[in-house]
Amino acid sequence: GEDVEQSLFLSVREGDSSVINCTYTDSSSTYLYWYKQEPGAGLQLLTYIFSNMDMKQDQRLTVLLNKKDKHLSLRIADTQTGDSAIYFCAEAGGNTPLVFGKGTRLSVIA
Amino acid sequence: DAGVTQSPTHLIKTRGQQVTLRCSPKSGHDTVSWYQQALGQGPQFIFQYYEEEERQRGNFPDRFSGHQFPNYSSELNVNALLLGDSALYLCASSPRGRRETQYFGPGTRLLVL
Repeated sequence: GEDVEQSLFLSVREGDSSVINCTYTDSSSTYLYWYKQEPGAGLQLLTYIFSNMDMKQDQRLTVLLNKKDKHLSLRIADTQTGDSAIYFCAEAGGNTPLVFGKGTRLSVIA
Repeated sequence: DAGVTQSPTHLIKTRGQQVTLRCSPKSGHDTVSWYQQALGQGPQFIFQYYEEEERQRGNFPDRFSGHQFPNYSSELNVNALLLGDSALYLCASSPRGRRETQYFGPGTRLLVL
C-alpha cells in the first residue's frame, strides 16, 4: 500500500532556511502536496507539484521532487517564528484520496 | 469568500452514542472529503462525496456513514462510538473539475469518554 514518511522534528534559527523532507512509495502518485497545520487548527494547503515537474517556487517556498528516488522536499527561506507548525507531506493519484505522512514539527528559535 | 466551515468545533460523547458532524464547502466547490486525524498522526481518509453520492471510501467500518446535500454541504455520522474514535475530524472541499486540490476546514474535535 501507499506510505509516506517524514522525519518528526526539525529545529532552525530565525532567518535560516528550513528543509523538510519526505519520501513516498506509490510510483503512480500524480500530485504531491505540502500542508501546514498550526496548533488547534485545520490544514492549510501551502503548495503542490505535479509529478512531471521537478521544482516549483512560490515566494519563500521551494518544492523539489526527485521522482526516481520518490523524494520530495520543502524549503522555507528566511524562516520566521510564524512558520512554527506541523508540516504534512501528502501524495495522491489522479483520482485517489490524499495519503498523508505523520508530519514534521518545525520549531523556529528566535 | 468564506472558507470551509465545520460544526461543532468541539464535542464530548460517551461510548455507544451516535454523533453527526457538519461541513459546508467553499463557494464553487462540489466535492467534500472527510478525514480522521488522531493525536500525533496524519489525517486518514474516511470517504469522499460528490453529486450526493459516496464515491470513494477509506478503511473505516460501516459505523462511519455520510451524506451530501444538494447545496454540496455534507454530514459525517458515527454510530456506536468507541474510545478510539476520539480524534479531530477534518472536512476538505475541492473545486468543480479540480478534485486534486483539497482545502480543509478547521475540524471538529471529538472526545469519546
